[in-house]
Amino acid sequence: EIVLTQSPVTLSLSPGERATLSCRASQSISTYLAWYQQKPGQAPRLLIYDASNRATGIPARFSGSGSGTDFTLTISSLEPEDFAVYYCQQRNNWPTFGPGTKVDIK
Amino acid sequence: EVQLVESGGGLVQPGGSLRLSCAASGFTFSTYSMTWVRQAPGMGLEWVSAIRNNGGDTHYGDSVQGRFTVSRDNSKNTLYLQMNSLRAEDTAVYYCARGRQGHIISDAFDIWGQGTMVTVSS
Repeated sequence: EIVLTQSPVTLSLSPGERATLSCRASQSISTYLAWYQQKPGQAPRLLIYDASNRATGIPARFSGSGSGTDFTLTISSLEPEDFAVYYCQQRNNWPTFGPGTKVDIK
Repeated sequence: EVQLVESGGGLVQPGGSLRLSCAASGFTFSTYSMTWVRQAPGMGLEWVSAIRNNGGDTHYGDSVQGRFTVSRDNSKNTLYLQMNSLRAEDTAVYYCARGRQGHIISDAFDIWGQGTMVTVSS
């Protein structure tokens, strides 16, 4: 099983600031990585697929990068609606998810 | 509107069974692989099972292998998850989700249902 590790566990930032979230895989997964946003009481929403491709309707302030074992989700300027939990997920093998990073308001 | 709606959750005793359903609408269900993902209270996401678009290929996470069965009826645009020998640790919100690329069984998931809660307790 491919294990995903996310850091930090919590990121405390203010609206307008830049958020940088990390996801590391236990072995190479090429670019087979997705990012999701989840708000309380809601289903996850796909943000990024295949490491760097924005899903339909996702604002340009969200971007993804990386390959192999190290990946980054960047939110260029946080909007109030961006405070949520973010999960990475790999599909190189049977899917696994990272434990999540909570982005909260400082 | 593209939509997935889960149903069938509820309270069940340990050792019991439950069948979840996921009704799809707004897209050609038979051309997409589907998956089940669960989330225990206050916890992260766990992939449970996946089924290819034609139903000919199914896969399960280690924690449910041998106890859960995924199936689909493309004529009814519905995905199912039969859960047997339920344990307390199966307590979670269960989401169905659509594979983004269609026929790929291990994929990113672009459409999610709202989830259905399963509670296993005596």
